[in-house]
Amino acid sequence: GAVVSQHPSRVICKSGTSVKIECRSLDFQATTMFWYRQFPKKSLMLMATSNEGSKATYEQGVEKDKFLINHASLTLSTLTVTSAHPEDSSFYICSASRGSPSFGSGTRLTVV
Amino acid sequence: GENVEQHPSTLSVQEGDSAVIKCTYSDSASNYFPWYKQELGKRPQLIIDIRSNVGEKKDQRIAVTLNKTAKHFSLHITETQPEDSAVYFCAAGGSNDYKLSFGAGTTVTVRA
Repeated sequence: GAVVSQHPSRVICKSGTSVKIECRSLDFQATTMFWYRQFPKKSLMLMATSNEGSKATYEQGVEKDKFLINHASLTLSTLTVTSAHPEDSSFYICSASRGSPSFGSGTRLTVV
Repeated sequence: GENVEQHPSTLSVQEGDSAVIKCTYSDSASNYFPWYKQELGKRPQLIIDIRSNVGEKKDQRIAVTLNKTAKHFSLHITETQPEDSAVYFCAAGGSNDYKLSFGAGTTVTVRA
């Protein structure tokens, strides 16, 4: 099946710093990838659609300047959480599809 | 956008009994309906999916039914085992890009 790799799996950062999360499609090309956010004991909420070679499409209520998405190649999308605050602490997970969705392993972000 | 509702939020069953989780969706354009099992801190694991050209699909102890007219779909787990204890999510989306909206999740506990 299609494999999606996500790094890092865990990151702890200080308030005010930025964190970059990578999502790679390992054995296929993905013109579209999705970024989700999941709070503890809650569901996955779609944050944005990452489009290769063009601007990301953000869901209502998601700050595009806060969550920068870059999809510069057909196999890599990055999510940068800028000027992170404790309320940005969450589980972030990406997906890409080849016939059906495949999810990355997720990134546990803790902002202290 | 798509809105997916999932019930119940928690479900406790005796080992060997059946478990049923129900979801409704709002967007008639959705035509892909996956079910995921998620362990804490892990990526969602696809257990079964159904597309709108099919009314029912079965894989061993797991089955999914879809009623497009009523916009609802259900997950059925028969002969439940303790290892079926987990959080289950339904989702709905389009099969062109697999942009998914998730239900709130159901915590299933199988009592030995």
